[in-house]
Amino acid sequence: GQQVMQIPQYQHVQEGEDFTTYCNSSTTLSNIQWYKQRPGGHPVFLIQLVKSGEVKKQKRLTFQFGEAKKNSSLHITATQTTDVGTYFCAGHGSGGGADGLTFGKGTHLIIQP
Amino acid sequence: EAGVAQSPRYKIIEKRQSVAFWCNPISGHATLYWYQQILGQGPKLLIQFQNNGVVDDSQLPKDRFSAERLKGVDSTLKIQPAKLEDSAVYLCASSFSSGRGYSYNEQFFGPGTRLTVL
Repeated sequence: GQQVMQIPQYQHVQEGEDFTTYCNSSTTLSNIQWYKQRPGGHPVFLIQLVKSGEVKKQKRLTFQFGEAKKNSSLHITATQTTDVGTYFCAGHGSGGGADGLTFGKGTHLIIQP
Repeated sequence: EAGVAQSPRYKIIEKRQSVAFWCNPISGHATLYWYQQILGQGPKLLIQFQNNGVVDDSQLPKDRFSAERLKGVDSTLKIQPAKLEDSAVYLCASSFSSGRGYSYNEQFFGPGTRLTVL
C-alpha cells in the first residue's frame, strides 16, 4: 500500500531560526495536503498542492510539491513560538479511485525561546 | 459556522468491552471520515463515507470495528470487543464533496475521542 514518510521526526530550533520538514511518498500522488496539530489539539488544514512543481506561500510558510509528485516540503522562515506543533503531510494516490488520504507520521517542531 | 462535533471526548474501558463514538459533521459536508491516531503517529484512515455509502474501509479491522452513517449525516463508530492496542484518539473529519463520488478537498477535524483500554 501507499506509504508517506516524513523527516525529521523531531526538530528543535531556537526562536527566529528557520525550519524545514520533508515528505516522501512511495507512489505518485494526486495531491499533497499539509496539516498542523497543536499539542492536545486536532489536525488543522494548512494548504493543498496539486500541480507538479507547485510552490505556494502563506506568510512565513513555503510549501513545495516535487516535479514527480512524490515529495513535498514545508519551510518556515524565522520561527515563532506560535509555530509549535506537529506538521503532517498527507496525500491521495494517483489511481483515480476513491482512495483515502494517507498521512505521514509528522514532524514535531519544538521551539526554544 | 459550527465545526465537527464528537462525543464523548474521553472514554476508559476494560479490554473485551464495547464502546461507541459519535460524530456530527459540518452541515452540508457529504464526505465523512473516521481516523485512528495512535500517540506519536499520524492519523490512519479507518473508513470514509460519501453520504450514507462506504467509499473506503480497506483499513478498518472489520472483525471488531463497525461504522454506520444511516441518514447520511451523523455517524457512529463501534469497537466490540476492544483490545489494548485500540487505545488511541479517534478523529472524525468531514469535507465538502465535489460530487464525483469522492473528495480531495480539505478535511475539517473534530476534537477527537481519547480512548484508553485497560
